[in-house]
Amino acid sequence: NAGVTQTPKFQVLKTGQSMTLQCAQDMNHEYMSWYRQDPGMGLRLIHYSVGAGITDQGEVPNGYNVSRSTTEDFPLRLLSAAPSQTSVYFCASSIGPPTYEQYFGPGTRLTVT
Amino acid sequence: QQPVQSPQAVILREGEDAVINCSSSKALYSVHWYRQKHGEAPVFLMILLKGGEQKGHEKISASFNEKKQQSSLYLTASQLSYSGTYFCGTDLFYNQGGKLIFGQGTELSVKP
Repeated sequence: NAGVTQTPKFQVLKTGQSMTLQCAQDMNHEYMSWYRQDPGMGLRLIHYSVGAGITDQGEVPNGYNVSRSTTEDFPLRLLSAAPSQTSVYFCASSIGPPTYEQYFGPGTRLTVT
Repeated sequence: QQPVQSPQAVILREGEDAVINCSSSKALYSVHWYRQKHGEAPVFLMILLKGGEQKGHEKISASFNEKKQQSSLYLTASQLSYSGTYFCGTDLFYNQGGKLIFGQGTELSVKP
């Protein structure tokens, strides 16, 4: 099993550009989440999903869109990149009840200039 | 709504003990603990559920005081491999399925 994979590993965008961060898991997990990590801020939840076709907002959803058409994939779209979106982005999938243990992908380091 | 962790950073010598605390202003259903090494992804350590027992993982254990809305992570006889940043994640409701709110992290450094 590859676990949770994320592409790309690094990305540089110009302000106003759009892009999609890819996330895939091969563990048949129903639950998936996107987090951003900034120095001193910990991990902040952007969007999450409890199954194909079901998504919901987290703490910091503005500027990001998600969709979940399959169990395996959970892409995160930046609509119009801003310097404030410079961060490390982690995707995670969860094993579900009772522990909801989350497996994190390796992360995508995004810089917006 | 973000839980507050203390201390923010701690430096230990090998073999020493440490306690990391996580406090919430809201009633909690569960508390999750993760460790992240520099440049890597967070890794799950344990979860404590409301009404559950204290958990243990090797020489790392944790408790959950539901009334005080607090959890503590205990690291005993620390090893070099324990170095990293520890995060608590809180879950307000049953069956949120990964909708965790994380604290800001506690950086732990273990020196030889």
